[in-house]
Amino acid sequence: DAGVTQSPTHLIKTRGQQVTLRCSPKSGHDTVSWYQQALGQGPQFIFQYYEEEERQRGNFPDRFSGHQFPNYSSELNVNALLLGDSALYLCASSLGPFSGNTIYFGEGSWLTVV
Amino acid sequence: GENVEQHPSTLSVQEGDSAVIKCTYSDSASNYFPWYKQELGKRPQLIIDIRSNVGEKKDQRIAVTLNKTAKHFSLHITETQPEDSAVYFCAASKGSGTGTASKLTFGTGTRLQVTL
Repeated sequence: DAGVTQSPTHLIKTRGQQVTLRCSPKSGHDTVSWYQQALGQGPQFIFQYYEEEERQRGNFPDRFSGHQFPNYSSELNVNALLLGDSALYLCASSLGPFSGNTIYFGEGSWLTVV
Repeated sequence: GENVEQHPSTLSVQEGDSAVIKCTYSDSASNYFPWYKQELGKRPQLIIDIRSNVGEKKDQRIAVTLNKTAKHFSLHITETQPEDSAVYFCAASKGSGTGTASKLTFGTGTRLQVTL
């Protein structure tokens, strides 16, 4: 049973560039959420996708956008990268978007902005 | 919005002792409280969770208690082992059914060190 998979695992970008991160949910899951985890902090919710729509969004600027595909996989796009965007980006999946549904995390994508 | 506070930020115990981590939440509508363990450079792993219709849940050496009136919940680890050393995060979410997103609000984490 494949868990949540993310790519790439590590990447380095320059300030002002754009980045795309990818996620495949755990087998059988249809809901994908993205979190940003800065060093030494807890994960912060970016947004959640279900039925190919953004269902809820955290306090992140419009530079952060996403997409969910018919096979439930998802992408996170960040435009105009800032140094402060350097973080671990975690994808999480669940069966359905409802509170109380167990949420599983992927290994994350480490983004460094220089 | 929801705010989750977690204490202590660091905890050092000797192998075999118990460890307790406490969290408080602000939104009385929160109804799901998972705990995640995160080892250095790794993903958060769910270790136990509790829903608001239950006051206590246990899984081998790990237990979680929930006090809805006081809006706090705690993680208890008994007979600690060196492999329990990690950062532990509590989280909370709310929602009552269809169409309600399951956003998790995390605490700030507790670094647990189990010494020999």
